[in-house]
Amino acid sequence: DAKTTQPNSMESNEEEPVHLPCNHSTISGTDYIHWYRQLPSQGPEYVIHGLTSNVNNRMASLAIAEDRKSSTLILHRATLRDAAVYYCILRDVRIQGAQKLVFGQGTRLTINP
Amino acid sequence: DTGVSQNPRHKITKRGQNVTFRCDPISEHNRLYWYRQTLGQGPEFLTYFQNEAQLEKSRLLSDRFSAERPKGSFSTLEIQRTEQGDSAMYLCASSPPGLLRSSYEQYFGPGTRLTVT
Repeated sequence: DAKTTQPNSMESNEEEPVHLPCNHSTISGTDYIHWYRQLPSQGPEYVIHGLTSNVNNRMASLAIAEDRKSSTLILHRATLRDAAVYYCILRDVRIQGAQKLVFGQGTRLTINP
Repeated sequence: DTGVSQNPRHKITKRGQNVTFRCDPISEHNRLYWYRQTLGQGPEFLTYFQNEAQLEKSRLLSDRFSAERPKGSFSTLEIQRTEQGDSAMYLCASSPPGLLRSSYEQYFGPGTRLTVT
């Protein structure tokens, strides 16, 4: 499984944008970039995923570098509820045996009121 | 719409006892996954079912662990002769069939926290 590298922790203020980086220099051409988050005492929650183009949904935006070796999850206006551990995961669902998610340590995001 | 449910939510057992956890996936989700998470770490994959077939097992799933999904609906994870090292959160997730965009998502349950004393 291709590896990702994320900062251990980040801190931001409420109602400000947050940019969470992820490096994946060994990404293959068919790896999708997935982001999940885990709020305290809950199971992980899907946030967003993409392949090459930037993606937006109601929760966040995903900006993918042109060479795909890095990506950034963008929370446009952080709230206290966004305090969580954010995981960046590479996954090619089309490969048999690649159904599982391989979680790293993730980035613990703290939001200050 | 009910999400993935897991029972029990908490289990305390003595070393050497057997425990069984249940996971009820979202209805019509044919894919089901079990993960284990210890304190301060990300979840680790244990096993994966597509319908009733167990298609992948991690090396973490020792002989003391067994998972079943007999009718392709709910699943059970049994740990025999529990050890203190088995103390962890056991997470279940499910996803819908096919290659639709939604099938790329895994929906997680709240987990079962196991404490082995």
